[in-house]
Amino acid sequence: EVQLVESGGGLIQTGGSLRLSCAASGFTISSNYMSWVRQAPGKGLEWVSVIYSDSDTYYADSVKGRFTISRDKSKNTVYLQMNSLRAEDTAIYYCARVPRNSDGFTIFAFDIWGQGTMVTVSS
Amino acid sequence: QTVVTQEPSFSVSPGGTVTLTCGLSSGSVSTAYYPSWYQQTPGQAPRTLIYSTNTRSSGVPDRFSGSILGNKAALTITGAQADDESDYYCVLYMGSGISLFGGGTKLTVL
Repeated sequence: EVQLVESGGGLIQTGGSLRLSCAASGFTISSNYMSWVRQAPGKGLEWVSVIYSDSDTYYADSVKGRFTISRDKSKNTVYLQMNSLRAEDTAIYYCARVPRNSDGFTIFAFDIWGQGTMVTVSS
Repeated sequence: QTVVTQEPSFSVSPGGTVTLTCGLSSGSVSTAYYPSWYQQTPGQAPRTLIYSTNTRSSGVPDRFSGSILGNKAALTITGAQADDESDYYCVLYMGSGISLFGGGTKLTVL
């Protein structure tokens, strides 16, 4: 079964750091782009970051310079290192797969989602 | 700064048809933006409905369809059902690795 399971969320003080993990099963993360999407309480979805198959990484302006996306192919896991956390980073963080079509081309969307992990940043 | 626009709310009668749209604060949406659509109910992760403008994700009923209408991407629900009452989000790929979500549309079925 194709599945994503996030972990690592919790309560952290303003200015602190946290690392989220997204363990994939049923497919190989290095074959797909992988993204993080977040949702603040009562708010809409916000794209956060993506890591490409060739390891290129991209970030939303709101997290650039503070967050780092990475992956460990041996563990089939994607990570989001979050530093200098702010109250506005409080959200559920979802991991999502960016699919490829039958010809192997990347489709810029999200097809598989994890259940999310909650991050609360408080002073 | 580019913003992806969606109607904040919409209502539809059971059995009716509704079209939600996804636009840009500046410019027109085309297939080059790979419009995709997601459904989310409270407390749940998003569910993928449509990608690449009009391709239904696996298991999505054919009463959900995607298109480009004028200068916007559109999600049409035909024969709305009570459990279609959800939040709907569109995503546009802006290039250079960046994706943008719309603010979401809260759909009420009544």
